[in-house]
Amino acid sequence: DAGVIQSPRHEVTEMGQEVTLRCKPISGHNSLFWYRQTMMRGLELLIYFNNNVPIDDSGMPEDRFSAKMPNASFSTLKIQPSEPRDSAVYFCASSFVQGVYEQYFGPGTRLTVT
Amino acid sequence: SQKIEQNSEALNIQEGKTATLTCNYTNYSPAYLQWYRQDPGRGPVFLLLIRENEKEKRKERLKVTFDTTLKQSLFHITASQPADSATYLCALDRGRDDKIIFGKGTRLHILP
Repeated sequence: DAGVIQSPRHEVTEMGQEVTLRCKPISGHNSLFWYRQTMMRGLELLIYFNNNVPIDDSGMPEDRFSAKMPNASFSTLKIQPSEPRDSAVYFCASSFVQGVYEQYFGPGTRLTVT
Repeated sequence: SQKIEQNSEALNIQEGKTATLTCNYTNYSPAYLQWYRQDPGRGPVFLLLIRENEKEKRKERLKVTFDTTLKQSLFHITASQPADSATYLCALDRGRDDKIIFGKGTRLHILP
């Protein structure tokens, strides 16, 4: 298995632009998580899905952030409009069942908003 | 709300010695506690999971303890090697569709 796949690996954009991050979870996993990591705040859970259904999006910073999971093999995290404070590394992770089993993380997307 | 404390300062350990990392939490005791390793530029990698009714879990040179009275987990690496140098994160989960909470991690340096 290729593991969790994220794209792009790096994204540099200007303030106000729309950013879309993509994730392909490990086949067979039914939970998917989006995290944001910064030096100041560490690893923060933004949203997670069970069987393609959003369960908890309380970590999403504000309405500028949205996430979708149209099917079991694909998810997107969108920021519109982007701001410099959104600069961070965004990780996608998947697992069989949230909390009971370990999570498998993707390589992350490093986002820089200028 | 739940808070997790891990040593914010880097930990320097001589090669061959045992490295011990601490994870303290407040409020409720989690149903599960997990430890992850993160190398620079990479995503966290799962190492060990321990349940609230388990006192200790081992895997090769790794050992995790879980003390719900002290609200603390200890992560040990015996016979440490320079390749063990990384950031180690602990994560807490109540296991009832509650979100997992990660600590900020402790950077470990094994000195040759």
